[in-house]
Amino acid sequence: GQQLNQSPQSMFIQEGEDVSMNCTSSSIFNTWLWYKQEPGEGPVLLIALYKAGELTSNGRLTAQFGITRKDSFLNISASIPSDVGIYFCAGRQVSGSARQLTFGSGTQLTVLP
Amino acid sequence: GAGVSQSPSNKVTEKGKDVELRCDPISGHTALYWYRQSLGQGLEFLIYFQGNSAPDKSGLPSDRFSAERTGGSVSTLTIQRTQQEDSAVYLCASRAGGGQETQYFGPGTRLLVL
Repeated sequence: GQQLNQSPQSMFIQEGEDVSMNCTSSSIFNTWLWYKQEPGEGPVLLIALYKAGELTSNGRLTAQFGITRKDSFLNISASIPSDVGIYFCAGRQVSGSARQLTFGSGTQLTVLP
Repeated sequence: GAGVSQSPSNKVTEKGKDVELRCDPISGHTALYWYRQSLGQGLEFLIYFQGNSAPDKSGLPSDRFSAERTGGSVSTLTIQRTQQEDSAVYLCASRAGGGQETQYFGPGTRLLVL
């Protein structure tokens, strides 16, 4: 099925640094979601985007729905140790016949003290 | 409870045995999904239930996998004659419906097939 290209696959950053990750697709999406998964837990929703160009913040997190509707990015500012985890993008295709989400392969974030 | 719950949290089984995994969605959520997550990988869609409609089984990897949802609430994912490659985390998610896209995930069941 349709796959999202999520990058980078992993990141090692110093505490206090900003982080950026993104997802791209060859298909148009009408919804983008960003999830965070901590070890031993299920993914937890961080930000949901429903309109092209939409820019939404949740604390230190900011995500945007690309104008082309084929990409989205997530920024984390001033990273802290508890930001560690796997971040997944997910999207719903315009042409999708069912309420299915396609997930990216995840970005593993490690924050060094 | 307020969130999606899954049981068991961990399951170790022998190759060839059948296993049943349970999901209790958020009360009132009409949609329920099962995903599989292999070590270090993204989420692989397995099956989707929406209300009383026929489930979308397009993601099930083989006929050894099946799922049912009774009474529009609790769901059970069954894997028959387990194989070692079935080892993964099985995640359940529910969605409110009515145009809401957000899926809320349970903690998952970690399955290890020896």
